Amino acid sequence: QSVLTQPPSASGTPGQRVTISCSGSRSNIGNNYIYWYQQLPGTAPKLLIYRNNQRPSGVPDRFSGSKSDTSASLAISGLRSEDEADYYCAAWDDSLSGRMVFGGGTKLTVL
Amino acid sequence: EVQLVESGGGLVQPGRSLRLSCAASGFTFDDYAMHWVRQAPGKGLEWVSGISWNRGSIGYADSVKGRFAISRDNAKNSLYLQMNSLRGEDTALYYCAKALSAKSSIAGLPGYWGHGTLVTVSS
Repeated sequence: QSVLTQPPSASGTPGQRVTISCSGSRSNIGNNYIYWYQQLPGTAPKLLIYRNNQRPSGVPDRFSGSKSDTSASLAISGLRSEDEADYYCAAWDDSLSGRMVFGGGTKLTVL
Repeated sequence: EVQLVESGGGLVQPGRSLRLSCAASGFTFDDYAMHWVRQAPGKGLEWVSGISWNRGSIGYADSVKGRFAISRDNAKNSLYLQMNSLRGEDTALYYCAKALSAKSSIAGLPGYWGHGTLVTVSS
């Protein structure tokens, strides 16, 4: 059971806009930044969004992030076939002695 | 260009030990916190351990506390994970990851990941 909750799957057709949610608590999303990672099949995770809504250089502006209280979401607009991947949210959790926590991952299928 | 190259994985029997290494290049290694994150076959990501840039803070997941030890050698631009008393549930691809921001504590999440080294614990 992951500390952050994501839907296991999402789907959309090319050109559509899809959103992936991530739900947590005060000790993680509520108090800290949310990060999003994209993992293409057979590859290492890649940073997609940091500090809630910032994009690293090279990440298309089709990807956007937002956060509200203890929830966050990743939006992908103009969906493309190459966006088919697993997406993970992550945050630092202040509880206990501190730890990094992840969502269980959302598999995005482009129909 | 940032490069993180993990090594040391392999097949090991339950109860035995293994030491993973991560060779870093392309950035000022001693300015960044580093992490180990693992992914069991077909499963999601799980943080294992992290160490701050100056070794001032170190943390472990509950699942490995007391069995694993993280360390770094800034002179060799290397990160290590000593894994003792290995169990079947430790079977995973182990990623070395670099914090996004310089001089952060272990609360600084990864900005770049290596390709991983596979650890299989089985008799």
